[in-house]
Amino acid sequence: DSGVTQTPKHLITATGQRVTLRCSPRSGDLSVYWYQQSLDQGLQFLIHYYNGEERAKGNILERFSAQQFPDLHSELNLSSLELGDSALYFCASSLRTGGDRKETQYFGPGTRLLVL
Amino acid sequence: LAKTTQPVSMDSYEGQEVNITCSHNNIATNDYITWYQQFPSQGPRFIIQGYKTKVTNEVASLFIPADRKSSTLSLPRVSLSDTAVYYCLVGASNNAGNMLTFGGGTRLMVKP
Repeated sequence: DSGVTQTPKHLITATGQRVTLRCSPRSGDLSVYWYQQSLDQGLQFLIHYYNGEERAKGNILERFSAQQFPDLHSELNLSSLELGDSALYFCASSLRTGGDRKETQYFGPGTRLLVL
Repeated sequence: LAKTTQPVSMDSYEGQEVNITCSHNNIATNDYITWYQQFPSQGPRFIIQGYKTKVTNEVASLFIPADRKSSTLSLPRVSLSDTAVYYCLVGASNNAGNMLTFGGGTRLMVKP
């Protein structure tokens, strides 16, 4: 158990819909990362938040957005869903970003999204 | 951030030692090297991290030569349950928005 929780575990929805994925980082971790992993593909970095502020964006579509709240949990919002958005979405947390050039990310169990 | 190169896939048999090498020619002075393991439908899991020479834990060993331009993850006596994707990452994300990226990793298949 990494200490990172994600809800829901599974989500089935239809094209055009909007969903919200939730992540609670490990206690004390200020950084939250979101990744997308399609079937048999690598991890695609989406976005990074540190202590409530957006720090970096990866290959995140404009239809996707995220935020990190004062209690440090984070939500990833996916809208106008398409079939190709079906994937595993992982959240990871770490204690700090940058600084000492050493970082360990702890991943949650993921949310499996199926768009029909 | 340092770019890493590792084999796409490797095959092994149960009981053998497996060594996966990662190249990171432009590693920065203060960068650490971190390896993760990912099973299907699960998030990557931290295996080991090091800066130089050798690091060993209950799961694996990490060998880093003096020039630090490569590193080797060593898994002793693998079993079928070690079949997974292994990722090598170097350094850390920084405040300038430079992100650690998980490349394709090395897909290890352990056969009976």
